[in-house]
Amino acid sequence: RKEVEQDPGPFNVPEGATVAFNCTYSNSASQSFFWYRQDCRKEPKLLMSVYSSGNEDGRFTAQLNRASQYISLLIRDSKLSDSATYLCVVNPTGRRALTFGSGTRLQVQP
Amino acid sequence: NAGVTQTPKFQVLKTGQSMTLQCAQDMNHEYMSWYRQDPGMGLRLIHYSVGAGITDQGEVPNGYNVSRSTTEDFPLRLLSAAPSQTSVYFCASSFQPGQTLYEQYFGPGTRLTVT
Repeated sequence: RKEVEQDPGPFNVPEGATVAFNCTYSNSASQSFFWYRQDCRKEPKLLMSVYSSGNEDGRFTAQLNRASQYISLLIRDSKLSDSATYLCVVNPTGRRALTFGSGTRLQVQP
Repeated sequence: NAGVTQTPKFQVLKTGQSMTLQCAQDMNHEYMSWYRQDPGMGLRLIHYSVGAGITDQGEVPNGYNVSRSTTEDFPLRLLSAAPSQTSVYFCASSFQPGQTLYEQYFGPGTRLTVT
């Protein structure tokens, strides 16, 4: 079983739609969580950290469910510029390393 | 600030050749790391370093060496290139107080093809 699992997609949605991605992680002691965004043939960039209480940044909302070991990302009012691959990232406790999911591809269509 | 820089951007090697991928950061980050990214596999950690003179293996270290003589530089050496090492290589750095990793800043990547 992979340490971090994501649905690879692609998710094809129209502009203005709301879309949600989920990610599950296997190490219950993981201590920090992130969503990164990666554009085609570019480097990953931090989209947002995920906090236990949930957090919002504009149109983006991240949630963490420690009991079920999953993380979610909700994008409201999708824009064409949101088209990218979204990487779920976990820092397992005791390991000085981040573990990346394979990514979920989002394509927003006009 | 340039952030994290990597050279070269593209490289083609023949099987058995060796080469060094360069990585430098100007953010005074203690933590630096190398990943490879293959289609459908996500990013996999090759080696990382928590400070000058300290390195450790990641998930896929075989065939690669690293050293960290300064805070700024973290080169990755391919000892004897194999076609299985064809990949996109990313270097990253982050601020790391204690055991918790914070945001990692990535370089633009090196696309390596081994024939």
